[in-house]
Amino acid sequence: DTGVSQDPRHKITKRGQNVTFRCDPISEHNRLYWYRQTLGQGPEFLTYFQNEAQLEKSRLLSDRFSAERPKGSFSTLEIQRTEQGDSAMYLCASSLAGGVFGNTIYFGEGSWLTVV
Amino acid sequence: QQQVKQSPQSLIVQKGGIPIINCAYENTAFDYFPWYQQFPGKGPALLIAIRPDVSEKKEGRFTISFNKSAKQFSLHIMDSQPGDSATYFCAASNFNKFYFGSGTKLNVKP
Repeated sequence: DTGVSQDPRHKITKRGQNVTFRCDPISEHNRLYWYRQTLGQGPEFLTYFQNEAQLEKSRLLSDRFSAERPKGSFSTLEIQRTEQGDSAMYLCASSLAGGVFGNTIYFGEGSWLTVV
Repeated sequence: QQQVKQSPQSLIVQKGGIPIINCAYENTAFDYFPWYQQFPGKGPALLIAIRPDVSEKKEGRFTISFNKSAKQFSLHIMDSQPGDSATYFCAASNFNKFYFGSGTKLNVKP
């Protein structure tokens, strides 16, 4: 499977707990994005990496959210002290900057978070 | 402020019909306009994309029409099938960021 892989696919957690999602991008893709999607809405940009450098963060990404991409390979998105408003699908996407297909991004299947 | 406005929110057509989904944008710096198809519980999948230097692009039954002066673009699905029932998102990209419309839920009736 050469697509974007996300884990876990579903997570139910109690309010106040910490959760971590992992994303494995398409191999050789140097850009990695995190988006959040709620029911009936389009994906909202959270942050993106070029290799291991986190180049931009949305103001949607509060202090409770942190993302890393060590060694420019997989990435993790951690949410600390979860709140019910964090319930959403967290989407990871990757792209190859300067590649044949330009800046096309490819999404994973998403990680559903439910905070109870 | 919503960077990309998409309409309609939902659409019902009969099999064989031609649903049309419209999007509008304001930022003239956008240089790439993809459409994504999303089935329930799945991530969005790239369907077709266009750059602003062309006015139309066809791939199979899917066509994007692009009007640069009006800052509008649309997706047409020819000979629609029940399997096309999904949510469709338009997007616009500037450098490294993608902005998505709010989605159109399409239902193609047999």
